[in-house]
Amino acid sequence: GQNIDQPTEMTATEGAIVQINCTYQTSGFNGLFWYQQHAGEAPTFLSYNVLDGLEEKGRFSSFLSRSKGYSYLLLKELQMKDSASYLCAVRGVSSGSARQLTFGSGTQLTVLP
Amino acid sequence: DAMVIQNPRYQVTQFGKPVTLSCSQTLNHNVMYWYQQKSSQAPKLLFHYYDKDFNNEADTPDNFQSRRPNTSFCFLDIRSPGLGDAAMYLCATSYPLAGSTDTQYFGPGTRLTVL
Repeated sequence: GQNIDQPTEMTATEGAIVQINCTYQTSGFNGLFWYQQHAGEAPTFLSYNVLDGLEEKGRFSSFLSRSKGYSYLLLKELQMKDSASYLCAVRGVSSGSARQLTFGSGTQLTVLP
Repeated sequence: DAMVIQNPRYQVTQFGKPVTLSCSQTLNHNVMYWYQQKSSQAPKLLFHYYDKDFNNEADTPDNFQSRRPNTSFCFLDIRSPGLGDAAMYLCATSYPLAGSTDTQYFGPGTRLTVL
């Protein structure tokens, strides 16, 4: 099975940098995704890591350490619109035809002016 | 723009009255997923279709059924909704091509209220 932990809530100030951590314990691993979800809306894809290291996409970066079962999402130059829930999701190795994602409960980030 | 579309965005039904939620996609992805998400909780996978191959999660209640008549459309049928089935229902698609990230792309969701 899969177990994914991330903080429930975080608060940061506009213009600052925030790091959202995710730890996971899985029976198999085939990639980690970060999604952003605004209240009442669908998750939108932010980043994907399958190898150790840092992936950078504009103001967002994501890091993965497979040996530690650990990832983080780094948001730079925070904007008010970044206030949202950030979901960490792990893809396992499935015997089925498609590889399912298991989501964490999300970290609700509030950006203050 | 290629996208995942869900209708309706808001659905109200009565306790025990069957309801159908629909999802369509223009991405031509061969995998379609249905998730249930309750407030402040993680999306929970109910089932998915890989082409016409239906894959049910072990803990998905029998009350939930799905149909995929063609590549573009997928339906979620709730045969006898209970109060505990009130949630956001999310449809997602992906295209697991060898070497791709197989990213799942989500529709806007249907929020189901059960009275």
